[in-house]
Amino acid sequence: EIVLTQSPAILSLSPGERATLSCRASQSVSTSLAWYQQKPGQAPRLLIYDASKRATGIPARFSGSGSGIDFTLTIISLEPEDFAVYYCQQRSNSLTFGGGTKVEIK
Amino acid sequence: QVQLQESGPGLVKPSETLSLTCGVAGYYISNGDYWGWIRQPPGKGLEWIGSVYHSGTTYYNPSLKSRVTISVDTSKNHFSLNLYSVTAADTAFYYCARAAYTGYAFDSWGQGSLVTVSS
Repeated sequence: EIVLTQSPAILSLSPGERATLSCRASQSVSTSLAWYQQKPGQAPRLLIYDASKRATGIPARFSGSGSGIDFTLTIISLEPEDFAVYYCQQRSNSLTFGGGTKVEIK
Repeated sequence: QVQLQESGPGLVKPSETLSLTCGVAGYYISNGDYWGWIRQPPGKGLEWIGSVYHSGTTYYNPSLKSRVTISVDTSKNHFSLNLYSVTAADTAFYYCARAAYTGYAFDSWGQGSLVTVSS
């Protein structure tokens, strides 16, 4: 099973700041990686798939990068609605999710 | 726009079977795509349970494979989850979702259904 490790577990930032979230795979997943955003009481929302492709309707402030084992989700300027938990997911070997990064208001 | 809705009992006894159905509106399952079940224990992370292709081909999480069956009924435009021999550890929010882009990235989700395993 491929394990995805997300860091940091908690990211404390202010609106307008840049957020950089990391996801590291225990072995290469090529570019078969997605990112989701989840707010309390809601289902996850797909942000990025295939490492860098934005899903339909996702604002341009969200971007994904990486390949192999190291991936990054960047939010270039945090809006108030962006404070949430973010998960990465791979499909190279079965489907697994990372443990999540909580982006909280500083 | 596709909409998904989970339905089923909110309480299941230990050792019994958890059964949920995901109704799909605004899109025909027979059109294609993969349809999946994902769960999330309260306050914890996400776990993929399994997926089914519109043809009926299934893919399961190896850690749950021995206790899971996922099926699709295109005539009713829904797909279903059966999880056997449940324990308290199976208490979670259960989500159904569609993976339309590449077969793994879930782009549309149901609202989730909390299933508690307790006697």
